[in-house]
Amino acid sequence: GENVEQHPSTLSVQEGDSAVIKCTYSDSASNYFPWYKQELGKGPQLIIDIRSNVGEKKDQRIAVTLNKTAKHFSLHITETQPEDSAVYFCAASKRSTGFQKLVFGTGTRLLVSP
Amino acid sequence: GAVVSQHPSRVICKSGTSVKIECRSLDFQATTMFWYRQFPKQSLMLMATSNEGSKATYEQGVEKDKFLINHASLTLSTLTVTSAHPEDSSFYICSARPTGVSLLTGEKLLFGSGTQLSVL
Repeated sequence: GENVEQHPSTLSVQEGDSAVIKCTYSDSASNYFPWYKQELGKGPQLIIDIRSNVGEKKDQRIAVTLNKTAKHFSLHITETQPEDSAVYFCAASKRSTGFQKLVFGTGTRLLVSP
Repeated sequence: GAVVSQHPSRVICKSGTSVKIECRSLDFQATTMFWYRQFPKQSLMLMATSNEGSKATYEQGVEKDKFLINHASLTLSTLTVTSAHPEDSSFYICSARPTGVSLLTGEKLLFGSGTQLSVL
């Protein structure tokens, strides 16, 4: 089955710096890769996603890149703000599961210091 | 807008009792809902897929008699933790996607706010 690895497990940055979180996946059939932000005591919220026919996607300060050949994808947050502090999860899924079965990475705890 | 509502947000119970968690889709119908479990500082692990009008599909290693799932309507799925023990203490999260809408058109998997279960 699919296995998603995520690094780093914790990331501390100063406000205004950029943050990068990386994930690798094992199943070459996976073709949908969402990123979720989870605040303490709450459920995950989708922040951005990318499909395998796209190499990069950007939404304001957030961007995601995908390298299908290497089977890895990354989340980039620019001009970080304290409210970006949370746990971020990458995930992978594929068409054969209706894109509904998500396999999550292990999470990255991001701390943005003022 | 479409929201997944989950209740209760927190429950504390005695060992041996049963606890029911509700997951409702608001402003959309969902033939399929998903139940996840998350231990502190760990990732989300899929427990089971809840199917409206039929039996749930459980992931390997998840006891179906322990975690009873009922999906009696297109807007409600329930997870009952039976004879709860301290090791069942965890954060339980449900998710759903509007029925009949392809992911390729942009609809996303929505998550509930989670239920923190503490078994004493």
